[in-house]
Amino acid sequence: AQKITQTQPGMFVQEKEAVTLDCTYDTSDPSYGLFWYKQPSSGEMIFLIYQGSYDQQNATEGRYSLNFQKARKSANLVISASQLGDSAMYFCAMRSLAGANNLFFGTGTRLTVIP
Amino acid sequence: ETGVTQSPTHLIKTRGQQVTLRCSSQSGHNTVSWYQQALGQGPQFIFQYYREEENGRGNFPPRFSGLQFPNYSSELNVNALELDDSALYLCASSLESGFLSGGYTFGSGTRLTVV
Repeated sequence: AQKITQTQPGMFVQEKEAVTLDCTYDTSDPSYGLFWYKQPSSGEMIFLIYQGSYDQQNATEGRYSLNFQKARKSANLVISASQLGDSAMYFCAMRSLAGANNLFFGTGTRLTVIP
Repeated sequence: ETGVTQSPTHLIKTRGQQVTLRCSSQSGHNTVSWYQQALGQGPQFIFQYYREEENGRGNFPPRFSGLQFPNYSSELNVNALELDDSALYLCASSLESGFLSGGYTFGSGTRLTVV
């Protein structure tokens, strides 16, 4: 079974600073993918970044980067140069090739960017 | 290209009633998944449809059922509504069921309140 753990219910960051949102996972599947989604108050889940379990390099997408440590089973999201519009809920999720390939989500971290 | 559209956006139902939620998938996507997100929680997988067939189901009772149509749009039906069914229901479409790195495109959800 897959499990995602996000231990930070809420985080605050000063505008223009960097912030790291933690995510650990547990799976027995040899091949899996890790995702981060942003959920603003409107409810829509917005895809941010993806990391495959066999990818050698950490994924980056603009101001987002994923600090993937496979041995520690962690996939932390780093947001650089925070903006006010980054204030939202952030969810870490995992997908494997087993079963229906659905996403397993963590409980989320609420990020607040302070001006 | 159009994204994922869900209707209605908000809905209030009485305990014991039945409800149908609708989802139009993103153009070119043949897989639709439904998630339930209770307040303060991460989304939980309900089921997935791939080319009009159910392709996996989460831990939800049979009163949660679905359909996928030839144009890949989908419906989620919930019978005998309970108070705990109050949640945000998210629909997500993707290109293929078995595409590990393929991200999902989510709709903005339907917020269901059961009174």
